This record gives sequence, structure tokens and C-alpha cells, in this order.
Amino acid sequence: EDQVTQSPEALRLQEGESSSLNCSYTVSGLRGLFWYRQDPGKGPEFLFTLYSAGEEKEKERLKATLTKKESFLHITAPKPEDSATYLCAVRRDNYGQNFVFGPGTRLSVLP
Amino acid sequence: NAGVTQTPKFRVLKTGQSMTLLCAQDMNHEYMYWYRQDPGMGLRLIHYSVGEGTTAKGEVPDGYNVSRLKKQNFLLGLESAAPSQTSVYFCASSYGGQGELFFGEGSRLTVL
Repeated sequence: EDQVTQSPEALRLQEGESSSLNCSYTVSGLRGLFWYRQDPGKGPEFLFTLYSAGEEKEKERLKATLTKKESFLHITAPKPEDSATYLCAVRRDNYGQNFVFGPGTRLSVLP
Repeated sequence: NAGVTQTPKFRVLKTGQSMTLLCAQDMNHEYMYWYRQDPGMGLRLIHYSVGEGTTAKGEVPDGYNVSRLKKQNFLLGLESAAPSQTSVYFCASSYGGQGELFFGEGSRLTVL
């Protein structure tokens, strides 16, 4: 069964304390791995897409990496405004509607 | 530029009542989707549409119906609401089938 898991479920960091979030997947025919940020009471907001093992994408304090079985979202020197839930999703085919979402990691960055 | 707009944002229903959630996008996207989000679970696809006049079932379609009469609008209906349908509903759209999803802000539905 295709599955996406994320760990940890929740993470509390001090401002400036770098860490990583994990997204593990068992999907046949991966057609892209997506990272989204979701603020409380809001819809998910797109961050990155990764397509092949070894690929990396960066945006401000965030860097996403991809292997054949998992992806990491590295957060360097986080700030309180980075507090949010981070969702990982994989697309299983090229038809577009076939996404599988993980449950998310809830990140809190304390000042 | 509004993006994806959902109405209403909050609604409380009694078991057996019906309602419709409206999603509107102004990005001229072909693909539109309805997801539900429940605590501890990932977003789950209810129904989707790949163009005006088309709809298809997703992972959890039972108890819901949809219509896409206009390209910019995607309606989600509950004919007879049940407590198990208490959730936060998100509409999303994408340009074609390979791009990222653009989400609305969600509609929180409580069924008593």
C-alpha cells in the first residue's frame, strides 16, 4: 500500500537551533515529492518539488533533499516565523490528481 | 489576485441536513480538487475535476457529490450530513496535472 509518513510528529526548537524533518514514502512510480507549509487556520502553501534522488532545493532557511525512500527538510537557524506545520506529499503518476499526503510535522520555534 | 476562495469558512449542521461548499479560482486552472483534513491524518482526496463538465472520485467519495459547471467553480455537496463528515475541507487547483496545488483557506464543517 502506498504510504507517506512524517517524523517527528511535533518539534520544538529554540530560535537559531537547526534541525531536520523527515518524510518517508513507499510509493510505486514516484512522480514528484512536494513540501508544503501550513499555518494554523490556513490552507497549505507550496514550498518545493523534488523529482529525483540527489536533488536539492533551497529557499531562505529551508533546504529540501530527496533519496529513493525519503526526503528531508532541513531548517537552518530557524526563526519564530518558521513555526508551522510542514506537509509532505508524493505524486504517484503523471495524471495529476494522485497525491498521497503525510500527516505533517508541527514545528514550533521559540524566541 | 484572490487565488482560490472557499465559502463558507465555517458551518454547523445537524445530522441529515444538506449543504454545498463553493470553491472559486481565478487562475484559469484546469484541475480542481476537494480534500478533507482530519487530525493525525494526511489530506485525503474526495473528488476532483480535470476540466469544465468533468468530475471523478478520489479516495473518500462516499457521502459527497460535486459539480463543475464553470471552469472557475467547483462545488462540493453533502446531501445528508453525518457526524463522520465533521472535518476541515480544502479546495485546491493546479495548472494541468503536473504542477503544484494551490489551496484555499479551508471550510470548517461541524455535524452534530
